[in-house]
Amino acid sequence: DQQVKQNSPSLSVQEGRISILNCDYTNSMFDYFLWYKKYPAEGPTFLISISSIKDKNEDGRFTVFLNKSAKHLSLHIVPSQPGDSAVYFCAAKTTGSARQLTFGSGTQLTVLP
Amino acid sequence: DTEVTQTPKHLVMGMTNKKSLKCEQHMGHRAMYWYKQKAKKPPELMFVYSYEKLSINESVPSRFSPECPNSSLLNLHLHALQPEDSALYLCASSQGQGRNQPQHFGDGTRLSIL
Repeated sequence: DQQVKQNSPSLSVQEGRISILNCDYTNSMFDYFLWYKKYPAEGPTFLISISSIKDKNEDGRFTVFLNKSAKHLSLHIVPSQPGDSAVYFCAAKTTGSARQLTFGSGTQLTVLP
Repeated sequence: DTEVTQTPKHLVMGMTNKKSLKCEQHMGHRAMYWYKQKAKKPPELMFVYSYEKLSINESVPSRFSPECPNSSLLNLHLHALQPEDSALYLCASSQGQGRNQPQHFGDGTRLSIL
């Protein structure tokens, strides 16, 4: 049973436009959410996180939005750059849980020049 | 550059070989993790060490044997692996096991079992 779902395996966006990556979760105990970016032949790189007490967190071009009632979060990248092309993983955890991160299946973002 | 260093980057071994994967971090993190990642899949947790003690073993076969010699090092000893064990093995660390801090990943060891 997938507790964290990324329903879009791929997304293509024009350079300079907004990229929106979506993630849904089913476990209402999750209270901390993260986005990771992964290039081929490299490990996942932490991008941005959000606690369930917030509904938005911003860091430069990256903004994460959390809608707890819908159990949905999204990552916005504005403006998108070709270097943003990578696989993006959504992850979630429960504070104090020993079970650590639950990952989504990832979305391949391609930013076209 | 990643702050979690994994060696070797690539490893090819036969099913009867014994080898070890190594992971090192100098961020003062007290929780360290091993993940396995197959192509086009998310990372799957294998082991968690907290303060150098094994706290989670996700029902991993005994042919994988983790070791945490000190707070900066994490090893994964491999013996009698199967072809289906071919994957990217990722090490990660975080400040603590239960706290809301991100895990930082190494670039992984690409393992191929012949």
